[in-house]
Amino acid sequence: DAGVTQSPTHLIKTRGQQVTLRCSPKSGHDTVSWYQQALGQGPQFIFQYYEEEERQRGNFPDRFSGHQFPNYSSELNVNALLLGDSALYLCASSAQGAYGYTFGSGTRLTVV
Amino acid sequence: KQEVTQIPAALSVPEGENLVLNCSFTDSAIYNLQWFRQDPGKGLTSLLLIQSSQREQTSGRLNASLDKSSGRSTLYIAASQPGDSATYLCAVVNQAGTALIFGKGTTLSVSS
Repeated sequence: DAGVTQSPTHLIKTRGQQVTLRCSPKSGHDTVSWYQQALGQGPQFIFQYYEEEERQRGNFPDRFSGHQFPNYSSELNVNALLLGDSALYLCASSAQGAYGYTFGSGTRLTVV
Repeated sequence: KQEVTQIPAALSVPEGENLVLNCSFTDSAIYNLQWFRQDPGKGLTSLLLIQSSQREQTSGRLNASLDKSSGRSTLYIAASQPGDSATYLCAVVNQAGTALIFGKGTTLSVSS
């Protein structure tokens, strides 16, 4: 049973560019959440998608946007990259009505 | 605003010791609480989930407790091993069940 799959694993981008990160949820899960983890910090909630709509959003600017597809997979897009966007981006999936989150291995984004 | 604090920030113990990691949160209106393990540069592995109506959960050498009224949770690790070395993260799920709020973690080092 495949867990949460994220791609790519590592990415280097230049300041001002745009990036797209991808996530496939665990089988049986229909909800996808995205988190940003800076070095030495706990993950910070970016947003959650359910039924192809953004259900809740954390304290992140509009440069961060997302999408959920009919097969429940999701994308995180970040525009106009800043050096401060360098972080580990984690995707988590869950099932409505059930408990607990399953995380992927993350995408390490470096902005230079 | 919910805040999660983990004490201590770092802990070094010899192999075989029993140890306790502490987590406190400011708002008792939580959906549930989840403990995770994170190895350096990797994603999060779920260890234990405690629903808001439960007091504790056990898995192998791990035991987690929850006291909602005092805003505290503890993770007890029995007979620690070098393979337990990692960062342990505590996260509460908001009452809507839509977001995890994390502490900064406790970095554990177990020496042989």
